[in-house]
Amino acid sequence: EDQVTQSPEALRLQEGESSSLNCSYTVSGLRGLFWYRQDPGKGPEFLFTLYSAGEEKEKERLKATLTKKESFLHITAPKPEDSATYLCAVSSPQGGSEKLVFGKGTKLTVNP
Amino acid sequence: ETGVTQSPTHLIKTRGQQVTLRCSSQSGHNTVSWYQQALGQGPQFIFQYYREEENGRGNFPPRFSGLQFPNYSSELNVNALELDDSALYLCASSLPGTDTQYFGPGTRLTVL
Repeated sequence: EDQVTQSPEALRLQEGESSSLNCSYTVSGLRGLFWYRQDPGKGPEFLFTLYSAGEEKEKERLKATLTKKESFLHITAPKPEDSATYLCAVSSPQGGSEKLVFGKGTKLTVNP
Repeated sequence: ETGVTQSPTHLIKTRGQQVTLRCSSQSGHNTVSWYQQALGQGPQFIFQYYREEENGRGNFPPRFSGLQFPNYSSELNVNALELDDSALYLCASSLPGTDTQYFGPGTRLTVL
């Protein structure tokens, strides 16, 4: 069964203090790894899709990287508005569909 | 282009009642998936609809059912509500032939 584990569960940073979030996965065959941002009480907002080891994608202060067993979301010089829960998911076949299997997320708090 | 919309925003039901949640997919997106997100957890796949047919289902009992309409909008129906059904219900849509899913804001269901 496909599984996703995210660490740490929670992370507190000072504004400008760079760090990384980890997502390790176990899948029978990786079809896609996804990063989402979720604000409290709202739906996940799509950030990145990664498909193969060595792939990297960037958006503003965020950079996602992928290896054969894990993905990292690097946050450079974060700002308070980056505070949110970051979810990692892998695409997994389910019947004739493609479902997303999510980790529990990392709750990021950036203090001014 | 409008994003994924869901209604209602939140509702309160009592145990044993039935509920219908609604979703309008993003323009041109013909695949709709439903997820349940309990507090502090990642979203869990309920089922997916493509061309008005259910084409994949997660580990949810038959009292969770759905519909997709010709305009690609969708409904999630839950019968015989239980206390554990209290959660954020998320709808996600995707373009034909792609695997990136875009989420709506969710419906917060509370079962008393």
